[in-house]
Amino acid sequence: AQSVTQLGSHVSVSEGALVLLRCNYSSSVPPYLFWYVQYPNQGLQLLLKYTSAATLVKGINGFEAEFKKSETSFHLTKPSAHMSDAAEYFCAVKRNTGFQKLVFGTGTRLLVSP
Amino acid sequence: DTGVSQDPRHKITKRGQNVTFRCDPISEHNRLYWYRQTLGQGPEFLTYFQNEAQLEKSRLLSDRFSAERPKGSFSTLEIQRTEQGDSAMYLCASSLEGISDTQYFGPGTRLTVL
Repeated sequence: AQSVTQLGSHVSVSEGALVLLRCNYSSSVPPYLFWYVQYPNQGLQLLLKYTSAATLVKGINGFEAEFKKSETSFHLTKPSAHMSDAAEYFCAVKRNTGFQKLVFGTGTRLLVSP
Repeated sequence: DTGVSQDPRHKITKRGQNVTFRCDPISEHNRLYWYRQTLGQGPEFLTYFQNEAQLEKSRLLSDRFSAERPKGSFSTLEIQRTEQGDSAMYLCASSLEGISDTQYFGPGTRLTVL
């Protein structure tokens, strides 16, 4: 079985500060990992994905994440927060073979203050 | 490139009524997924189609729920005899079978059962 834990339901940063959103996963097989962003009353937009190639993955809007197998982590970072980054962020895991469903964490709401 | 579209975006219904939602995937995508998202939670998998075949169903999908994907194109999700607990955002995603099988989400249909 697979699962995702996102530490911190809310993270607050100032504009220009580092963003760090934490994600730890559990998987019995090598995983694929994803970060999605959701703005109010909208669907999910893919930020980035890890599919067993490079462990440091760059995504859209200046976000990146590093896959660390030893720590079973896939934390999302951005060097400098913008007001437009305020949204809900979801980490998700999927098996790299077989059954195709995404298993999501409970999400982290990012608040950005001026 | 047209993304995943869903119709309607919002649906308000009375308890006991039937509702049907439609999802149009990205045109070349052969896989289609339905998820449900309740307030403050991450999306939860409901069901998955490969072409017209429904290959997986979550135990969350009670007998009152049915999904179809005729001819492997658009999909419909029907809920019969709606209950207040069915109030949620219903998300559709599609993907192209391949190495990473990345799922792209539509804007969702928000269902409110009074």
